Amino acid sequence: EDQVTQSPEALRLQEGESSSLNCSYTVSGLRGLFWYRQDPGKGPEFLFTLYSAGEEKEKERLKATLTKKESFLHITAPKPEDSATYLCAVQGTSGSRLTFGEGTQLTVNP
Amino acid sequence: DAGVIQSPRHEVTEMGQEVTLRCKPISGHNSLFWYRQTMMRGLELLIYFNNNVPIDDSGMPEDRFSAKMPNASFSTLKIQPSEPRDSAVYFCASTLRPLGTSGRYEQFFGPGTRLTVL
Repeated sequence: EDQVTQSPEALRLQEGESSSLNCSYTVSGLRGLFWYRQDPGKGPEFLFTLYSAGEEKEKERLKATLTKKESFLHITAPKPEDSATYLCAVQGTSGSRLTFGEGTQLTVNP
Repeated sequence: DAGVIQSPRHEVTEMGQEVTLRCKPISGHNSLFWYRQTMMRGLELLIYFNNNVPIDDSGMPEDRFSAKMPNASFSTLKIQPSEPRDSAVYFCASTLRPLGTSGRYEQFFGPGTRLTVL
């Protein structure tokens, strides 16, 4: 059974204070690891897909990296508008199913 | 482009009543997913369809839940009878699944339906 564990559960940062979110996973054959952002009252919004260890992707202040056991979402000089819950999900070779972690709730204070 | 559309956005009902949630996937997408999100269990996959055919319904909690996809542009999730423990946010997501088994594809989510069963 695929499993995803995200840490920390919650993170408070000051504006400009860089940090990283962690996503540890176990999956039988990784097809893809996905990062989503979810704002209160909205559906998850797709951010990145990572396919293989060593891969990195960037979007504005966010950078996602992948190893064989975990992924990191690095946030550089965050702004208050980056406040959201960040969800990690994996897709294994068993099919289309995504298994989600519990998420990290990020708050960036001005 | 319109994203995934869900209705209603909010539903309040009494225990024992039938509830029907609706979803219109992104035009051209061929896979559709129903999820449930709660504080206790996070985001859970209930069922998904490929080309309107149910593929994996192992996440459907029990026989009170049923889902249909009569055509490529519409799906329903029905709960009958509803119970207070069904209260959650229900999301629909869709994707364009490439041919073959090696495809990797992002799912795009709708805004969700917040269901409250009293």
